[in-house]
Amino acid sequence: AQKITQTQPGMFVQEKEAVTLDCTYDTSDQSYGLFWYKQPSSGEMIFLIYQGSYDEQNATEGRYSLNFQKARKSANLVISASQLGDSAMYFCAMGQMNYGGSQGNLIFGKGTKLSVKP
Amino acid sequence: DARVTQTPRDKVTEMGQEVTMRCQPILGHNTVFWYRQTMMQGLELLAYFRNRAPLDDSGMPKDRFSAEMPDATLATLKIQPSEPRDSAVYFCASGSGTISYNEQFFGPGTRLTVL
Repeated sequence: AQKITQTQPGMFVQEKEAVTLDCTYDTSDQSYGLFWYKQPSSGEMIFLIYQGSYDEQNATEGRYSLNFQKARKSANLVISASQLGDSAMYFCAMGQMNYGGSQGNLIFGKGTKLSVKP
Repeated sequence: DARVTQTPRDKVTEMGQEVTMRCQPILGHNTVFWYRQTMMQGLELLAYFRNRAPLDDSGMPKDRFSAEMPDATLATLKIQPSEPRDSAVYFCASGSGTISYNEQFFGPGTRLTVL
């Protein structure tokens, strides 16, 4: 069975510093995708970044990067130069990789609450 | 700016009442998901549809929950009768089979409170 584990219920970071949010996963699938979503206090789920299991390079999207270590089954999110607006819940998720429309549901971790201090 | 829309945004009802939540997926998306978020369980899948056909509803209590897609622009999630333990935020998400990965776009959610 697929499983996502986020071991940090809460994290604090000083504004302008970098922070790493941990995520480990378990799956027997060879093809899968890893995702990070942000959920601010307003409640919406905002897609941040994606990493495919066959991607050799770590994904980056602006200040977000995904530290993908396949052998360790980890997909940590790194946020550089933290901003006050980064304070939110962050969810790691895993889903079936899509080749030609076979899209499946996402399995989510319990989330990490990030608080950015001024 | 294409978005998933959900109505209502907030719903307060009494135990035993019927609740219907609606979702309009992004035009052209062929996959629709219903997730439920609670403090205890986190985000969990209730059901999902591809090309309007139900593919997986194993996460849904069958005796009281039902999910349908009457057409490609509308997905509904119905609870009858509702119970206090159904109080949660219900998210609809849609995705496209035309992209290389299954990014899912989430709606704003329906916050349901059953008294």
